[in-house]
Amino acid sequence: GENVEQHPSTLSVQEGDSAVIKCTYSDSASNYFPWYKQELGKRPQLIIDIRSNVGEKKDQRIAVTLNKTAKHFSLHITETQPEDSAVYFCAGGDNQGGKLIFGQGTELSVKP
Amino acid sequence: EPEVTQTPSHQVTQMGQEVILRCVPISNHLYFYWYRQILGQKVEFLVSFYNNEISEKSEIFDDQFSVERPDGSNFTLKIRSTKLEDSAMYFCASSVSLDRGSISNQPQHFGDGTRLSIL
Repeated sequence: GENVEQHPSTLSVQEGDSAVIKCTYSDSASNYFPWYKQELGKRPQLIIDIRSNVGEKKDQRIAVTLNKTAKHFSLHITETQPEDSAVYFCAGGDNQGGKLIFGQGTELSVKP
Repeated sequence: EPEVTQTPSHQVTQMGQEVILRCVPISNHLYFYWYRQILGQKVEFLVSFYNNEISEKSEIFDDQFSVERPDGSNFTLKIRSTKLEDSAMYFCASSVSLDRGSISNQPQHFGDGTRLSIL
């Protein structure tokens, strides 16, 4: 069935370092891949998304890459700051009603 | 910026009781969703709703669950007879504004969630 695997489950970096979170998906029909940031007790907030006709997208310190052949997509955060600390979720979606299948989440900790 | 709003923020209910969780999606959005997140786990899809009917539902969304859009603004999730394992955070989301057209690849905006605690 549809599944999104996300790694690592926890990630600790020093302030200023880069962080990379990786996801793989199983459903070939998936063509939309958003990333959400969730702070403790709060809503998931969309931080960046990528569509299947694009291989890479960048927004300031955040970038996402997509390899459709390998069914991999990754989130890259450069120059990390303590306020980047949160749980990050990747997700995969398709055109059939738009439901999102989420990965298990990565708890990112940025140490000052 | 328009937001999805959910009420109540926290609901405590005895097992076996009915609960209704309420959501006001972003005005002029057309697609509505419910997700749930058990504490410490990932977000799980429950149901999508479009044009006054369910578009898709997951295995979690069994006969105990129902959704309704009783008027032009509210979108509700009802759990008929709650179980202990229904305890979770329930998120409502909406996507697509009228001038966007296709559902394909439109961002979903989440509400703050309702924390449901079943005793």
